Amino acid sequence: QVQLVESGGGMVQPGRSLRLSCAASGFTFTTYSMHWVRQAPGKGLEWVALILSDGSSEYYADSVKGRFTISRDTSNNTLFLQMDSLRGADTAVYYCARDLHNNFFDHWGQGTLVIVSS
Amino acid sequence: SSVLTQSPSVSVAPGQTARITCVGQNIGSKNVHWYQQRPGQAPLLVIYDDVDRPSGIPERISGSNSGNTATLSISRVEAEDEADYYCQVWDSSGDPVVFGGGTKLTVL
Repeated sequence: QVQLVESGGGMVQPGRSLRLSCAASGFTFTTYSMHWVRQAPGKGLEWVALILSDGSSEYYADSVKGRFTISRDTSNNTLFLQMDSLRGADTAVYYCARDLHNNFFDHWGQGTLVIVSS
Repeated sequence: SSVLTQSPSVSVAPGQTARITCVGQNIGSKNVHWYQQRPGQAPLLVIYDDVDRPSGIPERISGSNSGNTATLSISRVEAEDEADYYCQVWDSSGDPVVFGGGTKLTVL
């Protein structure tokens, strides 16, 4: 069955970097676009970034553009989110999600918590 | 880009029907998807493409979309339906993915 397992979260100081990973299994990773979606404590869902199935294009929310980089390793079926210049407002649970038909998310990981604080 | 507006909260007694709305300009021209998020859990897709249910989602959960309003309906509400519900569309301008602010469904 489809599984998405995030890792790499933790507490980090403002201005520092963190790299999140999402290990995918149970499906052909290279045929799906993938996303990162985050949720600040007590808040709603916020889309963060998208990478197309072939890795040819990436898209970012304005709130993270220029600071975050989404990438994928097809040999290891892993999705990444490199987060630089972190801010307090980036504190959230980060979910990876599989995209079906560039339309909706049919599978989500369990999430990994990132806390940006001094 | 699209802006999707949801009421913050809806309350309903067990056995009744809950209706959760998602308002957006001409949302009827887009495919709307709905997610259920129970406390401490990841979101779960419950309705896609306005009206379709993924396997395993009960028939009590249904969707509709017309004009400026999409609606998620849950009939014969049970305690397990208590959760936050989010609508979502794919947008061709601005950010490709837009979520509504979410609605907390409380079962009285």
